[in-house]
Amino acid sequence: GENVEQHPSTLSVQEGDSAVIKCTYSDSASNYFPWYKQELGKGPQLIIDIRSNVGEKKDQRIAVTLNKTAKHFSLHITETQPEDSAVYFCAASKGGSYIPTFGRGTSLIVHP
Amino acid sequence: DARVTQTPRDKVTEMGQEVTMRCQPILGHNTVFWYRQTMMQGLELLAYFRNRAPLDDSGMPKDRFSAEMPDATLATLKIQPSEPRDSAVYFCASGRDSPGDIQYFGAGTRLSVL
Repeated sequence: GENVEQHPSTLSVQEGDSAVIKCTYSDSASNYFPWYKQELGKGPQLIIDIRSNVGEKKDQRIAVTLNKTAKHFSLHITETQPEDSAVYFCAASKGGSYIPTFGRGTSLIVHP
Repeated sequence: DARVTQTPRDKVTEMGQEVTMRCQPILGHNTVFWYRQTMMQGLELLAYFRNRAPLDDSGMPKDRFSAEMPDATLATLKIQPSEPRDSAVYFCASGRDSPGDIQYFGAGTRLSVL
């Protein structure tokens, strides 16, 4: 089955700095890669996703890149703010009836 | 603003008691997932329903856990008997058409088994 590795497990940055979280996947047939943000006491919420026919996608301060050859994808957050502090999960899926596989999560701490 | 509703938000019980967690998926969604989140294991998939039919419960301890969807507006996860190692946050998520698409998570049920 699919295996998703996520690094780092913890990331601490100063407000205004950039943050990068990386994930690798094992199944080359995976074609959908969502990123979820989980704030304290809440469930994960989708913040951005990318499909395998696209190499990069941006939404204001967040962006996701995908390298299908190397089987890795990354989340980039620029100009970090304290409200970006949360746990971020990546996931990989083959679509159709296949269930997404989640990474272990990255705890991002943005210091004011 | 459509959202997945989970009840109860918090549950404290004693070992051996039955626990029932409920989930109301977003209207019109036809896939439902149950996850368990712990510090040690991260997000573990317990069960997956599509059009109310259970398609995957391989991640669920069969001897004590059961998941059902009595109708399209209600999914339940039961633990009987509960054990301290079941203490975790349980999330329900719903989606449309296929699990390869966006999942909308509820706020979770925090279970503590003493």
